[in-house]
Amino acid sequence: AQSVTQLGSHVSVSEGALVLLRCNYSSSVPPYLFWYVQYPNQGLQLLLKYTSAATLVKGINGFEAEFKKSETSFHLTKPSAHMSDAAEYFCAVSGYGGSQGNLIFGKGTKLSVKP
Amino acid sequence: KAGVTQTPRYLIKTRGQQVTLSCSPISGHRSVSWYQQTPGQGLQFLFEYFSETQRNKGNFPGRFSGRQFSNSRSEMNVSTLELGDSALYLCASSLVAGRTDHLFNYGYTFGSGTRLTVV
Repeated sequence: AQSVTQLGSHVSVSEGALVLLRCNYSSSVPPYLFWYVQYPNQGLQLLLKYTSAATLVKGINGFEAEFKKSETSFHLTKPSAHMSDAAEYFCAVSGYGGSQGNLIFGKGTKLSVKP
Repeated sequence: KAGVTQTPRYLIKTRGQQVTLSCSPISGHRSVSWYQQTPGQGLQFLFEYFSETQRNKGNFPGRFSGRQFSNSRSEMNVSTLELGDSALYLCASSLVAGRTDHLFNYGYTFGSGTRLTVV
């Protein structure tokens, strides 16, 4: 069975500081991993995805994530936070190239950015 | 190109009624999945359709059902609504390749959701 654990339901950073959102996964098959962002009253927007190619994945809005198999982690980072990054972030996993047809989501991490 | 379109955006229904939500996928996307999002349970998978066939189903009661049409548009239906069905319902479409029994999924694009309130 697959699962995702996001460490920290709330993270607060100052504008310009490093953003680090943690995600650990469990999967019995080679995983595909995703980070999504959700703004209030909106759907989910894909930030980036890992599909077994490069382990360091670059996404939109300056975000990137590194797949570490030995640590079963896929943490999301951004070097310098911007006020517009305040939102909720979700890590998700699917297996077998996504052929299992559904994403398993973490509980989400709300990011606050202080001026 | 147009994104995933969900209608309506907001809906208020009375307990015991039924409701139908609609999802139009991105052109060319043949897989449609539905998710329920609540503050308590988070994002939970409801079901996935490909080529008018349900491929996967989440752990929801039979009151939740769905279907997909030949143009890939999808609907989900909830009968005998309960207060706990109040949620944001999200639809996602994806470009897939391969055979029905072995698909490769290129990634999911979500719609803005339908906010259902049951009173």
